[in-house]
Amino acid sequence: DAGVTQSPTHLIKTRGQHVTLRCSPISGHKSVSWYQQVLGQGPQFIFQYYEKEERGRGNFPDRFSARQFPNYSSELNVNALLLGDSALYLCASSLLADNNSPLHFGNGTRLTVT
Amino acid sequence: AQSVTQLDSQVPVFEEAPVELRCNYSSSVSVYLFWYVQYPNQGLQLLLKYLSGSTLVKGINGFEAEFNKSQTSFHLRKPSVHISDTAEYFCAVSPPGSNYQLIWGAGTKLIIKP
Repeated sequence: DAGVTQSPTHLIKTRGQHVTLRCSPISGHKSVSWYQQVLGQGPQFIFQYYEKEERGRGNFPDRFSARQFPNYSSELNVNALLLGDSALYLCASSLLADNNSPLHFGNGTRLTVT
Repeated sequence: AQSVTQLDSQVPVFEEAPVELRCNYSSSVSVYLFWYVQYPNQGLQLLLKYLSGSTLVKGINGFEAEFNKSQTSFHLRKPSVHISDTAEYFCAVSPPGSNYQLIWGAGTKLIIKP
């Protein structure tokens, strides 16, 4: 069975541009979460979606948005990119949205903003 | 507010030696505790978790952790490390009932010396 897949794996953008990152969860998983991992730090929670509805949002500006599609895949959008948005963006899926459902992470999208 | 402190940014240890990676958390409420491992250029993989019950938790790859409520610690241990354990290890906490609102430590790089 395929794990969580993220695309693209690497991306280079310039300041002010926007970016769309994509995530396909494990088959049957209904919850998708997004995290930002800056080099040398632990991940920071950005969004969680469950059954196509936003269930949680971390402390990120409105330039960050996301959505979940009927097939449970998800997109993370970032507008007006800043140098500080350079990071590894991780997507995680789980069957449900409680602590009995372990998170399964993809390998991430490495975003570099120049 | 909850926070997680991983006291060591790097831990060098000889192959087949024991290792302990330290994690302390601060929270005014009960939390769930997790250890994740991140191999180079990969996403995060759950090693073990503490939700309730026995304070000694066994995980994958021979790792275990002990929850100590009085010391607010959740240290990770392995009696004998292998070169394949080279990775970064993250401790995380979450409030009960939600698997996405994880608060992460900054990570500890485990460096295995031959």
